[in-house]
This record gives sequence, C-alpha cells and structure tokens, in this order.
Amino acid sequence: GAVVSQHPSWVICKSGTSVKIECRSLDFQATTMFWYRQFPKQSLMLMATSNEGSKATYEQGVEKDKFLINHASLTLSTLTVTSAHPEDSSFYICSARSGRAYNEQFFGPGTRLTVL
Amino acid sequence: GQNIDQPTEMTATEGAIVQINCTYQTSGFNGLFWYQQHAGEAPTFLSYNVLDGLEEKGRFSSFLSRSKGYSYLLLKELQMKDSASYLCAVSGNTDKLIFGTGTRLQVFP
Repeated sequence: GAVVSQHPSWVICKSGTSVKIECRSLDFQATTMFWYRQFPKQSLMLMATSNEGSKATYEQGVEKDKFLINHASLTLSTLTVTSAHPEDSSFYICSARSGRAYNEQFFGPGTRLTVL
Repeated sequence: GQNIDQPTEMTATEGAIVQINCTYQTSGFNGLFWYQQHAGEAPTFLSYNVLDGLEEKGRFSSFLSRSKGYSYLLLKELQMKDSASYLCAVSGNTDKLIFGTGTRLQVFP
C-alpha cells in the first residue's frame, strides 16, 4: 500500500514553455502532498507544501508564480513550472502523507526535467 | 536555525558493517526518518525513530538519542546493492520533513 505515482517520469522542453507534473496517491487519500527539487549529488529541497482545497505554502526563495501548485483532490496534486529556463532543469519529486500516526511521507518516482 | 548534518561520502567493503551518523538541531522533534535513494530514483523508507534506542529491521538498524540530537543507521552484511545515498530527515514542529545532505555510500567487492 501507500503508492505514489508521478507523470511524466521525464520531460524535455524548450526554454520559455510551461511543464505540468502530476502527483497521485494511488491507494490512499493524501490531504497533504509535498514537492521537492533535487539537483545532482544534492539532497532534497522542499519547495512547497500542497494542501487539498487550499493554497500551497511555499518555502522561502521559491517563486509561487513560477511554480504553480494545485491540489484539486485528495489523490492529485500538480506542479506547473511556468516559463521554464535551463536553470529549472532538475529532478522534481513529490511525496504524500499517509495520514498515519507519524509524519511518514511516501515518495513518487520523480520527474526529471530538462530545459533546453 | 534548523540543521541536519551527515557525512557526505563513505566507502565500505562487501560483507562489512557501516554506520552512518546524523546529528540534528531542529525546532521541535516528532521523529527521525532514514531513507535510501538510488541514483535517479525516489527515496524509499528505511526506518523511523521517535523514542530513544535501537530499532532493528533485518540488516538495517537505526538508533536515536534525543538528548544528544543524534542518530545513526547501521548496515550489516553489506551488499553491492546497498550502494546508494542515505538520507536522514527530521520531522519538527510542522508536518514538513527536514532533510540532511545525504550520505553517498559506495560498497566495493
């Protein structure tokens, strides 16, 4: 149980275009999902916390107008990278809380974004 | 501020035992997680500690001392497939996880 999927697994786009990444909890409802970014050989950096039915909470330094997050249902959150630039190329990972007693997060397989 | 420290890299030999340390300073404490991450893949859950002491799960064990802000992950009978990054993460006052930089472990034959 507690499976999280992401789509697409990888994407290549031109500079200036927008890319949408989907994160789904397949066998549980997730009131809270998290979006992380990971650069090569670095750890996960939290970008934002996504709550179902409300606005996302962004970490300091993350532009909310550039990284649009929508959590429309208890099983789906989307991250849209708007007007992508080469420096946005990274590994984007989502996670979802299972609602258990402790704050365990289940991670999606990640999306590798390459902006040309 | 909040800070989690781990060694950047470690090497070990197949069949050996390795201990990966993690020290933390966070606002509040609601548990410490260890995750394994292979290159290009998402992290997978290894262990969770919220009380002091040792939690054993097969070849992997995790220890926590809350008074010292210290944890370690112990890997026994190392296998080549254990070569990966090991991430220490702390749950503080909020529902966010704060991740350390990760420790890249290389296991040699």
